Amino acid sequence: QPQLQESGPGLVKPSETLSLTCTVSGASVNSNDYYWGWVRQPPGQTLEWIGSVYYSGSTNSQPSLRGRVTVSLDTSNNQFFLRLTSMTAADTAVYYCARGNFGRTTDPFDVWGQGTLVTVSS
Amino acid sequence: DIQMTQSPSTMSASVGDTVTITCRASQSIDWWLAWYQQKPGKAPKLLIQKASSLEDGVPSRFSGRGSGTEFTLTISSLQPDDFATYYCQKYNAYPWTFGQGTRVEI
Repeated sequence: QPQLQESGPGLVKPSETLSLTCTVSGASVNSNDYYWGWVRQPPGQTLEWIGSVYYSGSTNSQPSLRGRVTVSLDTSNNQFFLRLTSMTAADTAVYYCARGNFGRTTDPFDVWGQGTLVTVSS
Repeated sequence: DIQMTQSPSTMSASVGDTVTITCRASQSIDWWLAWYQQKPGKAPKLLIQKASSLEDGVPSRFSGRGSGTEFTLTISSLQPDDFATYYCQKYNAYPWTFGQGTRVEI
């Protein structure tokens, strides 16, 4: 069973940039069988899809975050990344990385990291 | 963007009950709907995809139905481990959207 582990700062100042890493074991980010993504959940609220990246490097991202969000891959280290600029208190959330199966269709995320809480505060 | 509306937002139930959660899409999403279970402090767990396809290892008391704009998740003979929050998610096209969640409590 593959495992995903998020890492990054737990505290970010307003206006700064958040950079999170998801380290993958038991699966290859370079495989054309999978795609990778980020989902966040503000405290007490529902889940919000942030963005997805495919083995080719192509990406899709949440329109409400477009211009602020970058999702990318590092095949040499079997990792993928989230970069979110101009952070505000509204971006305080648990951030999850996740994997989905990609074939004839793009399936929903079936493997998730444990999540990491990111708080935006000065 | 397509909006996903779940109901109810909270439901009280007892062990052994059968519960049904509804998820409505603002436009047709065919059968591109997933259901997740989430427990406090944990990541979501995928239960069902393609509206009715149960994931490996998910107990058969979970079932999903529907297509187009209206979908249901039914849990038959509720077990203590089933008390959690359930989310629907559409994935017919980006952006993906989750429902607001249904908390199943004792």
